This record gives sequence, structure tokens and C-alpha cells, in this order.
Amino acid sequence: KNEVEQSPQNLTAQEGEFITINCSYSVGISALHWLQQHPGGGIVSLFMLSSGKKKHGRLIATINIQEKHSSLHITASHPRDSAVYICAVRSGTYKYIFGTGTRLKVLA
Amino acid sequence: ETGVTQTPRHLVMGMTNKKSLKCEQHLGHNAMYWYKQSAKKPLELMFVYSLEERVENNSVPSRFSPECPNSSHLFLHLHTLQPEDSALYLCASSQVAGGLPGELFFGEGSRLTVL
Repeated sequence: KNEVEQSPQNLTAQEGEFITINCSYSVGISALHWLQQHPGGGIVSLFMLSSGKKKHGRLIATINIQEKHSSLHITASHPRDSAVYICAVRSGTYKYIFGTGTRLKVLA
Repeated sequence: ETGVTQTPRHLVMGMTNKKSLKCEQHLGHNAMYWYKQSAKKPLELMFVYSLEERVENNSVPSRFSPECPNSSHLFLHLHTLQPEDSALYLCASSQVAGGLPGELFFGEGSRLTVL
């Protein structure tokens, strides 16, 4: 069992839908990242959080440290949101453990 | 544009070749990382340099040799690779403050194919 589990693995949505991607982890962490990877390979950092909730535009990330769970929400989804979303936890000074990603496709 | 630039973007090499991957960050960060991403697998940490000193070496085979000449540049020297080393190699940087690294900024990656 991976130390960082994401669900769902694949997700197809219609444009405008509200989307939730979940991340559960089994190790102690000092921070959690949500990352976005487009087909070309480059990765963009969306959020880094250690408690509570953060919002940036149509994206919202929440974390519950007690339950070892984080969610990434996308409101009013758009085809340009199609990408792989990766959860990563910082479990040591420089050690990040990555999930295998959630592949999102938003249809027009 | 994330402020982290990797070259080349694509590289094809034979098992006996020697090549290098280059990473440059324009963010003023003091830590740089090499990650490997194989198909259907999570990112794996290879090396970390903080303040130009190697602080993590994640049991990587010696055919991969990192070099960090200054805080803005990071290289990954490749020699006598195996076909299973074919992967996307990603460079990242972050600012270390209070003993912990902050947000990771990634490059676009170098896709390596070993024939």
C-alpha cells in the first residue's frame, strides 16, 4: 500500500462541473503539496499547505491533519483544467512522497 | 514559465554514451532537486543539493552523477545507462528557511530514452 493514495485515479467531467480530488496519507507530515502536470511533462505547484484551507481562483485545497486527508476542489471546471493532479507530502526535511496522480479530463 | 529551465527537453542515447542534463533556476532559491518519473509510477527523489552541498542521495546507481557548481545550476551526468533508465527527469528548486524547504518549483523535464 502506497503511503500516499489518491482517488479517483481517472476522472472525466463536463465543463462547468464541480470536481473533487482526494488524497490520503499514512505518514507524519509537515506540509502537503498539490501539483498539476500537463501532457508535456512540466509540473506546476498549485498549493502548499499544512493546515486549514487555501483558495486560488477556482481552486480550493483543504487539509485535515487529524484525519490525514486533503482534498483539491475545482469549481466551474474548464477543458483547460485537463491535466494530472498530484498530491505530495513532505515527510522529512527534503523527503517528499508523491501520489500516482489523478488524471482529469474536462469535456467541452 | 516557472523560473526553472531544463535542457535538453528530449534526449536519446545509447547505452555506451555519456551525456548531461542541465537545470538552471532564476528564482534565487538555495535548494535544487533531481526527480525521476517513470511511466505509471510516482515521482522518485534522486538527489538534493542545499546551499550547494548534497544532502540527499536516494540510493541512486553510480551511472547517475550529479553536480551543483553554484546555487543556480544543477547537472545530472549520465553514463552507461540502461534501457530501464528511460524516463522523464525533472529538476526542481525551493527556498529553505528555518531548516525546511518551501514550495517546490519544477522545470519542464528532460525526457530521456536509452536505446
